[in-house]
Amino acid sequence: GDSVTQMEGPVTLSEEACLTINCTYTATGYPSLFWYVQYPGEGLQLLLKATKADDKGSNKGFEATYRKETTSFHLEKGSVQVSDSAVYFCALMRGAGNNRKLIWGLGTSLAVNP
Amino acid sequence: DAMVIQNPRYQVTQFGKPVTLSCSQTLNHNVMYWYQQKSSQAPKLLFHYYDKDFNNEADTPDNFQSRRPNTSFCFLDIRSPGLGDAAMYLCATSREQGSNQPQHFGDGTRLSIL
Repeated sequence: GDSVTQMEGPVTLSEEACLTINCTYTATGYPSLFWYVQYPGEGLQLLLKATKADDKGSNKGFEATYRKETTSFHLEKGSVQVSDSAVYFCALMRGAGNNRKLIWGLGTSLAVNP
Repeated sequence: DAMVIQNPRYQVTQFGKPVTLSCSQTLNHNVMYWYQQKSSQAPKLLFHYYDKDFNNEADTPDNFQSRRPNTSFCFLDIRSPGLGDAAMYLCATSREQGSNQPQHFGDGTRLSIL
């Protein structure tokens, strides 16, 4: 069945370091792909999305490109800030009609130190 | 401005005592979801409403019920909470069940069982 695999955390970086969080997926067809972020004690927020191959989603300095050939949707940021400390979830949308649902990765915790 | 509002943020109940969590939305979205999220895990979908149509996940325990009296409100009822039901409960909405429609989350209700 459809699935999402994320790199395990926690990831610890110094401020202004480069970030890459790997995400690969297994799915039939061309699912929409999402990155959500969860700050401590809060719900999930949509960070970015891509709906077809070669689409690039971007928001708040984060980017991810939908790579069909490698079935990947890696999250990148060139210079992280302390405020980026959170848990990041990769997800894909599968199913049709009333059976659509998000398939989640396990999440990657990011800690950014000043 | 909060668009998906969950009350309360923290709820404490006793083992076996029914509890209701509430969610309201100002987005006028026709789909509403309830997720359970345990510590350091991905959210787990319990059920969702597409308008008034209720869709239960196959592995959602019978102990969990939901009501949606109108477009704006949705409730999660736990009839007889057990210790294993302690978790964060997240409400989400989406405009429709399209494959590229993101889900918008509330900040969650953290449920503790004494």
